[in-house]
Amino acid sequence: GNSVTQMEGPVTLSEEAFLTINCTYTATGYPSLFWYVQYPGEGLQLLLKATKADDKGSNKGFEATYRKETTSFHLEKGSVQVSDSAVYFCALRSYTGGFKTIFGAGTRLFVKA
Amino acid sequence: KAGVTQTPRYLIKTRGQQVTLSCSPISGHRSVSWYQQTPGQGLQFLFEYFSETQRNKGNFPGRFSGRQFSNSRSEMNVSTLELGDSALYLCASSLDQGRFETQYFGPGTRLLVL
Repeated sequence: GNSVTQMEGPVTLSEEAFLTINCTYTATGYPSLFWYVQYPGEGLQLLLKATKADDKGSNKGFEATYRKETTSFHLEKGSVQVSDSAVYFCALRSYTGGFKTIFGAGTRLFVKA
Repeated sequence: KAGVTQTPRYLIKTRGQQVTLSCSPISGHRSVSWYQQTPGQGLQFLFEYFSETQRNKGNFPGRFSGRQFSNSRSEMNVSTLELGDSALYLCASSLDQGRFETQYFGPGTRLLVL
């Protein structure tokens, strides 16, 4: 079946460091890929998405490119801030007898001042 | 536009009881999905409703059921509660079905089963 694997956390970085959170997926068909973020005490919200191969999603300085050949959708940011501390979820959405979104386990990011 | 609302926000029940959770989607959204979030299992898909019909279901026992009303509001019911049902239950709405759809999440209902 379809699945999403993302790197385990927590990830601890200093402010202005470069961030990469790895995400790989297994899926049949043509899924769309998403990164959602959950800030402390809040619900999940969309960070960015890509709907076909080679698409790049970007938002708030974060980027991820849909790589079909490596089945990956790694999240990157050039310079993290303390306010980026949150849990990041990689997800795919596809049709398997009905539409369904599958989430990775989540990666907790701590950014130190 | 108001976001997705879920009621109640917190709930304490005992084993064997049943519970009903409610979700009001963003106005105009026709699809509602439910997820169970736990520290050990992460976000697990429960079911997705569109136009009052269940379109997809996750791997949960029949004790978990749901429905969607004509105004797109949705309810989820869990019967014969077990300790392992303690979790954060998240509802998400989207404008339509389809693989491109962004889901908008509510704050969740935290259920504790004693």
